[in-house]
Amino acid sequence: ILNVEQSPQSLHVQEGDSTNFTCSFPSSNFYALHWYRWETAKSPEALFVMTLNGDEKKKGRISATLNTKEGYSYLYIKGSQPEDSATYLCASNTGNQFYFGTGTSLTVIP
Amino acid sequence: DTGVSQDPRHKITKRGQNVTFRCDPISEHNRLYWYRQTLGQGPEFLTYFQNEAQLEKSRLLSDRFSAERPKGSFSTLEIQRTEQGDSAMYLCASSQPLRRAVTDTQYFGPGTRLTVL
Repeated sequence: ILNVEQSPQSLHVQEGDSTNFTCSFPSSNFYALHWYRWETAKSPEALFVMTLNGDEKKKGRISATLNTKEGYSYLYIKGSQPEDSATYLCASNTGNQFYFGTGTSLTVIP
Repeated sequence: DTGVSQDPRHKITKRGQNVTFRCDPISEHNRLYWYRQTLGQGPEFLTYFQNEAQLEKSRLLSDRFSAERPKGSFSTLEIQRTEQGDSAMYLCASSQPLRRAVTDTQYFGPGTRLTVL
């Protein structure tokens, strides 16, 4: 079993603030790193998948970076909005299995 | 809606009963995954199908759990003799890896929340 860790566990920010979360994963047997957003009462939604060291992905105000050598990924949200409130999950893919972290719960206060 | 669907959305059962959940993946997706999520944890991998073949099973999947995907389309997850520890959200996901793609993206269903009394 792969140990994927996320921090912080939860976060409250004011609307307009920028924020970031961390996902740590074992760098051995690495295949790909996925980020998902999971809003309450909805299905987890795929945000990014990254495979190469130094990868950077961006979707609107959300971006992510990947460091496979040291085993971490950052997710950034610029100018947080209330609709960004959700749990953000990362998962390390070693081929056929996905190992998820426990998530970071983000609450954006209007 | 052409997303992943799961049925039922909620299930309450008494300890010792059998339950069965269904997952309908996105129609052209050949991979199907089952996960279990308990409070405060991320989704934990249970099993994975490529078409109708069950290729991987987690050691979390005790002999009370069985999953099938008989025609390579929908899948069922059955739990026999349920225990209170089986109470969790059961998530299904499907994917269709592109040829020569390094990895694929999973699309999740809304989950089935099981409560065992």
